Amino acid sequence: DIQLTQSPSFLSASVGDRVTITCRASQGISSYLAWYQQKPGKAPKLLIYAASTLQSGVPSRFSGSGSGTEFTLTISSLQPEDFATYYCQQLNSFLYTFGQGTKLEIK
Amino acid sequence: EVQLVESGGGLVQPGGSLRLSCAASGFTFSSYSMNWVRQAPGKGLEWVSYISSSSSTIYYADSVKGRFTISRDNAKNSLYLQMNSLRDEDTAVYYCARIAVALGDAFDIWGQGTMVTVSS
Repeated sequence: DIQLTQSPSFLSASVGDRVTITCRASQGISSYLAWYQQKPGKAPKLLIYAASTLQSGVPSRFSGSGSGTEFTLTISSLQPEDFATYYCQQLNSFLYTFGQGTKLEIK
Repeated sequence: EVQLVESGGGLVQPGGSLRLSCAASGFTFSSYSMNWVRQAPGKGLEWVSYISSSSSTIYYADSVKGRFTISRDNAKNSLYLQMNSLRDEDTAVYYCARIAVALGDAFDIWGQGTMVTVSS
């Protein structure tokens, strides 16, 4: 099975900051990676697919990069509504593993 | 509006059974592969099961294999998860989610979730 490791698990930042979350895969997954945002009590929301393509309607301050085993999600200038938990997910092979999540909190 | 709505969650004793449903609307359900994903209280997301559009291909996470059965009825625009031999560790919010092949198989539409609590 492919394992995904996100870092950091917790991140404290301020409005306007630039933040980066990393997701590492235990084996190469090409660009078959997605990023989701989840707010408390809500379903996850797709932000980025194919490692770097922004889902329709998602603000351009979100960006993704990487391929193979290392991927990043960057938020260029944090907004109040961005404080949430972020998950990466590999779609290269069943089982569709998720990373353990990164909780982004207000400093 | 494209929508998925889960139902069927509740409180069940260990060893018991429960059947979850997911009603789809606003899109051609029969054209999409579907999944169940769960989230235990305070924990991360765990993929549970996959079913292709025609039901010809099905996969399960090791944690539920042999106990859970995924199925669908394209005529009723519905997805199901039959859960048997339930354990405490199956307690979670269960989401159904649509796969978008055009988006690299990402899960583009999610339901609001239904809570399953396994407890005596």
